[in-house]
Amino acid sequence: EVQLVESGGGWVQPGGSLRLSCEASGFKFESYAMHWVRQAPGKGLEWVSGISWNSNSINYADSVRGRFTISRDNAKNSLYLEMNSLRPEDSALYHCSRGPTTVDWLDPWGQGTLVTVSS
Amino acid sequence: DIQMTQSPSALSPSVGDRVTISCRASQDIRDNINWYQQQPGKTPKLLIFAASTLRGGVPSRFSGSGSGTDFTLTITSVQPEDSATYYCQQSYSTPLTFGGGTKVEIK
Repeated sequence: EVQLVESGGGWVQPGGSLRLSCEASGFKFESYAMHWVRQAPGKGLEWVSGISWNSNSINYADSVRGRFTISRDNAKNSLYLEMNSLRPEDSALYHCSRGPTTVDWLDPWGQGTLVTVSS
Repeated sequence: DIQMTQSPSALSPSVGDRVTISCRASQDIRDNINWYQQQPGKTPKLLIFAASTLRGGVPSRFSGSGSGTDFTLTITSVQPEDSATYYCQQSYSTPLTFGGGTKVEIK
């Protein structure tokens, strides 16, 4: 069974940093692109970032470019999102998801880890 | 960035009704559109990819159509378990973008 389990969320003050992790199992992690998608409470879906299977292609939403860094470790079947200079508008449930490529559908999605940015 | 505009934002069909949700892209995206279902309190699930291909395990009452800029998700004979918010997403170019969602509440 394909599983994606996120961790690392929490409460942080504006300007602070967090590192999210996503541990994958049940499939050949190194063969897939991976993505982060967020959803603010009661709001819609916003794609954040995507990374190709070999990390050669990385893309970001304009809203996070320069502040967030996506990375992966295929040996550890893990995806990461380093988030710096956090703002209140970054507060959301962050899901990791799998995609055939960096420009494709997303399936499946993890349950998410909640990030709250507040003073 | 490609904007995805969904309509309507909400609807309240009765069990057995036919439901149609539209999604319009701000530019030609060919057939690079995907549809997701998010039931209350749950994670989004892929229903349809590449405009009309049903993901395995998804009931056949769901179907997708369209090409270019105008797309449709149809639920024939909607069921109580179809109460959810539905999102379209373009996969023509990055940044990947989603529609604003359509909330379906079964009467």
